[in-house]
Amino acid sequence: QKEVEQNSGPLSVPEGAIASLNCTYSDRVSQSFFWYRQYSGKSPELIMSIYSNGDKEDGRFTAQLNKASQYVSLLIRDSQPSDSATYLCAGQKTSYDKVIFGPGTSLSVIP
Amino acid sequence: SAVISQKPSRDICQRGTSLTIQCQVDSQVTMMFWYRQQPGQSLTLIATANQGSEATYESGFVIDKFPISRPNLTFSTLTVSNMSPEDSSIYLCSVARGGRLGPANYGYTFGSGTRLTVV
Repeated sequence: QKEVEQNSGPLSVPEGAIASLNCTYSDRVSQSFFWYRQYSGKSPELIMSIYSNGDKEDGRFTAQLNKASQYVSLLIRDSQPSDSATYLCAGQKTSYDKVIFGPGTSLSVIP
Repeated sequence: SAVISQKPSRDICQRGTSLTIQCQVDSQVTMMFWYRQQPGQSLTLIATANQGSEATYESGFVIDKFPISRPNLTFSTLTVSNMSPEDSSIYLCSVARGGRLGPANYGYTFGSGTRLTVV
């Protein structure tokens, strides 16, 4: 099993809908999780981090972590065309360990 | 959070030559990370650079090909040596967002990247 796995997409949603991005992980990355957004030709930008089971909300973004099932998800409410990007899920074994990235999911929000 | 200046932003190089990429951070950081992102791919960690010690390389990456310097707590360089077209990628440096304030629980921030094309 790869350490961090994501569906590559592309995922297309209409403007205003909820976009749901999913990620599963192995025991190699089990403590901290991050969601990054990467626009084409740009470097990744951190949008959410989550460390505990449950939900974490920040504006239109909600990260969900379920350690028993080893998955983490990102929900984007009221999706906008400007949300069209590749979303990278990343995990970390300990706070001082390297961060391992998944392959990314391409999201397209259709006006 | 820490701010990184990375240069050059892009370069086109002849095969067999070397390119050195620089990253300057606006605060002191313990660890700096170098990633490679090949076209259409995700990020792959090349090495971790600690000040005052040899860099730690990931499987598949060797010091002779990717020598790294870390002369102080705010600066690092990555050299891509004896380049071939397969080295054409985006190279990114990264540090913990909290800088030296604590562990990387705040996540990581990235430099703007160096887009390398080898011809």
